[in-house]
Amino acid sequence: AQKITQTQPGMFVQEKEAVTLDCTYDTSDPSYGLFWYKQPSSGEMIFLIYQGSYDQQNATEGRYSLNFQKARKSANLVISASQLGDSAMYFCAMREGLSGANSKLTFGKGITLSVRP
Amino acid sequence: GAVVSQHPSRVICKSGTSVKIECRSLDFQATTMFWYRQFPKQSLMLMATSNEGSKATYEQGVEKDKFLINHASLTLSTLTVTSAHPEDSSFYICSARVIRTGTPYGEQYFGPGTRLTVT
Repeated sequence: AQKITQTQPGMFVQEKEAVTLDCTYDTSDPSYGLFWYKQPSSGEMIFLIYQGSYDQQNATEGRYSLNFQKARKSANLVISASQLGDSAMYFCAMREGLSGANSKLTFGKGITLSVRP
Repeated sequence: GAVVSQHPSRVICKSGTSVKIECRSLDFQATTMFWYRQFPKQSLMLMATSNEGSKATYEQGVEKDKFLINHASLTLSTLTVTSAHPEDSSFYICSARVIRTGTPYGEQYFGPGTRLTVT
């Protein structure tokens, strides 16, 4: 079974509107972390936001927030007030067993977001 | 945030030659370094995990004799693609992890990537 599932093939959003990018995950480890990364066409991976499995509140970082629903095993990224520069590929990732220095980051397939002016 | 550099950013080589890619953590000492491979419009696939002074741990299906990883210091890891073939053409991304007080999950930073084209 896939550990990280991103099924939206491509998303379009009007500038200044909010958009939600879906991510579901699968793990039996009680200790894990969920990450979202942005990859523009230049290729660099930009860290956006992190949610720990024990965190009581949803993570927020500026215009990014994570809608963490632990029972449903979903960690959707919400981008508010979209900007043209938000057009990029977005990856959801998970790390199981956070205490291990070598624990791996597993990525989903990614979602392409296009912001329309 | 911390900076990870990769060199070269782009390389074209002939089939049968070897190519070395360097990954450096510029302002921190990395606990662990990772090498990923990414095909166009696809996800990042982990190739190997390495720690300074130890042999790298390769993921299943990755040929360790073809993709040589050397982790010489806490700030430098190299990936050498030996006897490159056109199917090795890809985007290679390194990542460095550091565990600091206050970040129990460890922070992982990515290099800008190296685009390898084998002709």
